[in-house]
Amino acid sequence: NAGVMQNPRHLVRRRGQEARLRCSPMKGHSHVYWYRQLPEEGLKFMVYLQKENIIDESGMPKERFSAEFPKEGPSILRIQQVVRGDSAAYFCASSPPPPKAQFFGPGTRLTVL
Amino acid sequence: ELKVEQNPLFLSMQEGKNYTIYCNYSTTSDRLYWYRQDPGKSLESLFVLLSNGAVKQEGRLMASLDTKARLSTLHITAAVHDLSATYFCAVDLGAGGTSYGKLTFGQGTILTVHP
Repeated sequence: NAGVMQNPRHLVRRRGQEARLRCSPMKGHSHVYWYRQLPEEGLKFMVYLQKENIIDESGMPKERFSAEFPKEGPSILRIQQVVRGDSAAYFCASSPPPPKAQFFGPGTRLTVL
Repeated sequence: ELKVEQNPLFLSMQEGKNYTIYCNYSTTSDRLYWYRQDPGKSLESLFVLLSNGAVKQEGRLMASLDTKARLSTLHITAAVHDLSATYFCAVDLGAGGTSYGKLTFGQGTILTVHP
């Protein structure tokens, strides 16, 4: 049973480009969460999705960031017009219906030049 | 706004010693999680604590939850080098005071165990 898959593992973008981060949850998990970890900091919640629905996006910046979890395929975190401050590790986690533990993916490390 | 604070933030221990990491949080919740993170790696789930008085143990680690005091502890017994990592507590509290997996993390405790 594969764990949470994220790709790419490393992504380099120049300022102004778009970044697309993908997350495939564990089999049987319908709840997906995205977190961001800045260097030397803890993780910050960004968004919680179920299939085709955004449940809580209170941690998402109001501009440039969007997320989806379509009926088919992985969840996507999209960052438009990236800036240097977007450089971070982005982790996806999935779980069965809470209160089960979330399983985290390996993360995507985004570097904005 | 929920705040989760861990202390200490840095912990240097000798092998064989005992120590406790504390996790305080500001708003009532009865769901708390502990995770471990090795450098450059993802997070590994250690404990899920779901009620007041919950105590879980795995190997040299034991976690407890006191929801009235809004406090969780992670106790390390007879530390070994392999326990060196960053430890995070996380509280599950979403909009309207409900719990649905929205985790607020503490700052993390960097644990170094040396001979």
